[in-house]
Amino acid sequence: AAGVIQSPRHLIKEKRETATLKCYPIPRHDTVYWYQQGPGQDPQFLISFYEKMQSDKGSIPDRFSAQQFSDYHSELNMSSLELGDSALYFCASSLGQPGSYEQYFGPGTRLTVT
Amino acid sequence: GENVEQHPSTLSVQEGDSAVIKCTYSDSASNYFPWYKQELGKRPQLIIDIRSNVGEKKDQRIAVTLNKTAKHFSLHITETQPEDSAVYFCAASNTGGYQKVTFGTGTKLQVIP
Repeated sequence: AAGVIQSPRHLIKEKRETATLKCYPIPRHDTVYWYQQGPGQDPQFLISFYEKMQSDKGSIPDRFSAQQFSDYHSELNMSSLELGDSALYFCASSLGQPGSYEQYFGPGTRLTVT
Repeated sequence: GENVEQHPSTLSVQEGDSAVIKCTYSDSASNYFPWYKQELGKRPQLIIDIRSNVGEKKDQRIAVTLNKTAKHFSLHITETQPEDSAVYFCAASNTGGYQKVTFGTGTKLQVIP
């Protein structure tokens, strides 16, 4: 079965640079979530989209922005990168209909800021 | 917002023994409680979930119980095996079509052969 695809899998950037992470949800899934997971930490919710509209917002810095496109893929744009942005970034997708709750996670993008 | 607390943070058991991980949540509107297993450097994987209209759910060696009144839910793993070693996260969400998931802080389970 098709799973959530994230690219790139690994990314190394320098401070103050920008980065773009991409997420391709499971086919027919219309909701996408972004999470940030630091070393030894639990995943922290950043932002979510349903039907191309932002549906919820968590602890996402103002330096980050995201959007969901017409094909339901999503991109997380990160600017003015800081050392503390180094983390695993997971995307998850689900069917956004009431009664269908399961979120499926992608393999993650490991971002290292030097 | 929702706050999920999880205990213990680490748990070591002998192979074949049972393991229990407990979580509490704060938002009485939460009605969906998934459990995720995460191996080092890998994605969280859903292993079992429970909805608020159910008190208990079992899937082979894994069971989850929910006490909505006390806002407690627990994961029970019986006959543990070395491959059960991982970090386990409980989570809670308020469904309605656009739900986000609030994770607990994780329990690192080590099953000793």
